Amino acid sequence: AQSVTQLDSQVPVFEEAPVELRCNYSSSVSVYLFWYVQYPNQGLQLLLKYLSGSTLVKGINGFEAEFNKSQTSFHLRKPSVHISDTAEYFCAVTSGGGFKTIFGAGTRLFVKA
Amino acid sequence: DGGITQSPKYLFRKEGQNVTLSCEQNLNHDAMYWYRQDPGQGLRLIYYSHIVNDFQKGDIAEGYSVSREKKESFPLTVTSAQKNPTAFYLCASSKSTENNQPQHFGDGTRLSIL
Repeated sequence: AQSVTQLDSQVPVFEEAPVELRCNYSSSVSVYLFWYVQYPNQGLQLLLKYLSGSTLVKGINGFEAEFNKSQTSFHLRKPSVHISDTAEYFCAVTSGGGFKTIFGAGTRLFVKA
Repeated sequence: DGGITQSPKYLFRKEGQNVTLSCEQNLNHDAMYWYRQDPGQGLRLIYYSHIVNDFQKGDIAEGYSVSREKKESFPLTVTSAQKNPTAFYLCASSKSTENNQPQHFGDGTRLSIL
């Protein structure tokens, strides 16, 4: 069975500092991986996705993520965060064996001035 | 612009009452989904539909019902059998049932008990 673990429930960081939000998954088959962002009282928006090919994926708002098959990880990074990046971030996985998307519990990113 | 519209944004339910949450999409997507979001628990799948007139239970379907009479619409009814309905409800859609398709989300409905 698939599962997704987001290793940090909250990540505080100062503005203009780099950030990494960690995500590990488990699946016995090939996977497709996604990161979504949720601003307060809104739905989720797609940040980026890994389907195949290059393991480094670039998304919107300067975010990128790296797929590491041996470590079953898909960590999200940004070299310099802004106050406006304060939000909750969700890692999600679907597998080649089924259609259902499994979401992690979310990581709340706080960017401080 | 294409997107998903959920209404109302806030909803209050009395004891023993059924309430219906609306979800409409103009993206021409085949698949639609309902999720429940509780703090610290991520998203849990309530129901999903891959095609008109067909839908399937997700992980937490008890106390909920849906219909899919039109491609654009996927309303969710929270019945009186759902004893803990207070949550944020999100509707989503995807182009197809292929599992490499990302989901598009509405802005949610927050349901509370009176």
